[in-house]
Amino acid sequence: DSGVTQTPKHLITATGQRVTLRCSPRSGDLSVYWYQQSLDQGLQFLIQYYNGEERAKGNILERFSAQQFPDLHSELNLSSLELGDSALYFCASNRGGMNAGELFFGEGSRLTVL
Amino acid sequence: AQSVTQLGSHVSVSEGALVLLRCNYSSSVPPYLFWYVQYPNQGLQLLLKYTTGATLVKGINGFEAEFKKSETSFHLTKPSAHMSDAAEYFCAVTSTQAGTALIFGKGTTLSVSS
Repeated sequence: DSGVTQTPKHLITATGQRVTLRCSPRSGDLSVYWYQQSLDQGLQFLIQYYNGEERAKGNILERFSAQQFPDLHSELNLSSLELGDSALYFCASNRGGMNAGELFFGEGSRLTVL
Repeated sequence: AQSVTQLGSHVSVSEGALVLLRCNYSSSVPPYLFWYVQYPNQGLQLLLKYTTGATLVKGINGFEAEFKKSETSFHLTKPSAHMSDAAEYFCAVTSTQAGTALIFGKGTTLSVSS
């Protein structure tokens, strides 16, 4: 158990809809990272937050947005969903800063868009 | 920009045989390098990491990797494969530069046969 909690574990929705994925980081971790894992693209970095502020941005679509709240949990919002958005979305956390590489991953939220 | 290339999307070995998973990186600044493992239906967990110092790093479950700057490589090895090693392995790179996240390779699936 990494200490990172993601909900929901599974989500099935239709094209054009909007969903919100939630992540609670490990106790004491200030950084939250979102990754998308798909068969064709592999693990793609989406976005990082550190103590409520956006720290780094990767291949995140404009239809996607994220935020980190004062209690440090984070939400990833996916809108106008397309079939290609079907993937496993991982949240990871760490203390942040110079130790940025050692991430602790949740078990993921599997999104299926029909 | 940083990137990682994992040579071979699938590697098959017999139980007791040497495991060698290849990783090459590209980075314009000194890299931090990592290997993560993902078991089915689980999140990723850290196997080992290189930041500075000794170029041969040892990780969990008998795995080790050697950082070779001249070859821009960070190959993962284990002298004797075990059935429980069957999983997907990801090489990743980051740096100490602010705003740098962890960038993953596409992964290598390791199969171990008896």
